[in-house]
Amino acid sequence: AQSVTQPDIHITVSEGASLELRCNYSYGATPYLFWYVQSPGQGLQLLLKYFSGDTLVQGIKGFEAEFKRSQSSFNLRKPSVHWSDAAEYFCAVGSYIPTFGRGTSLIVHP
Amino acid sequence: KAGVTQTPRYLIKTRGQQVTLSCSPISGHRSVSWYQQTPGQGLQFLFEYFSETQRNKGNFPGRFSGRQFSNSRSEMNVSTLELGDSALYLCASSLQPSDNEQFFGPGTRLTVL
Repeated sequence: AQSVTQPDIHITVSEGASLELRCNYSYGATPYLFWYVQSPGQGLQLLLKYFSGDTLVQGIKGFEAEFKRSQSSFNLRKPSVHWSDAAEYFCAVGSYIPTFGRGTSLIVHP
Repeated sequence: KAGVTQTPRYLIKTRGQQVTLSCSPISGHRSVSWYQQTPGQGLQFLFEYFSETQRNKGNFPGRFSGRQFSNSRSEMNVSTLELGDSALYLCASSLQPSDNEQFFGPGTRLTVL
């Protein structure tokens, strides 16, 4: 069965600092991996996805993620966080019916 | 192109009542999936529809049902509401069931009193 673990429930960073959100997955084959962002009262917006090929994936809003098969990880990174990045971030694994992690809440201090 | 729309955005019901939520997918998208999001359980898959047929169903009781119309719009229904049904219900659409990218609507916030 597929599963996703996001070890950090909350992450607090200062504006302008770098960010890394962790995601570990369990999947029987080559995984389809996603990162979504959810702002308060909103639905989920896809930040980036990995299906195959280059293990470093570029997404929207300056985010990137790196697929590491040996570590079963797909961590999300951003070099410089903006206050508007404060939101809930979800990692997901699977094909067209993904399994979602429990989310990481990002708090940005000015 | 308009995104996924869900109506109503907010809903308050009492225990025992039933509720119907509506989802209009992105134009041209034929696959619609529903998810329930709660603080306790996170995001859980409810069901998926394509060509007016339910293709997949998550682990929810029979009180949760859905349907899809010929124009790809979808509705979900919850009967005999329980307090635990309070959640954000998200609809997502994609071009085809095999399409791995889903586009989510803003959700319907259901509160059961």
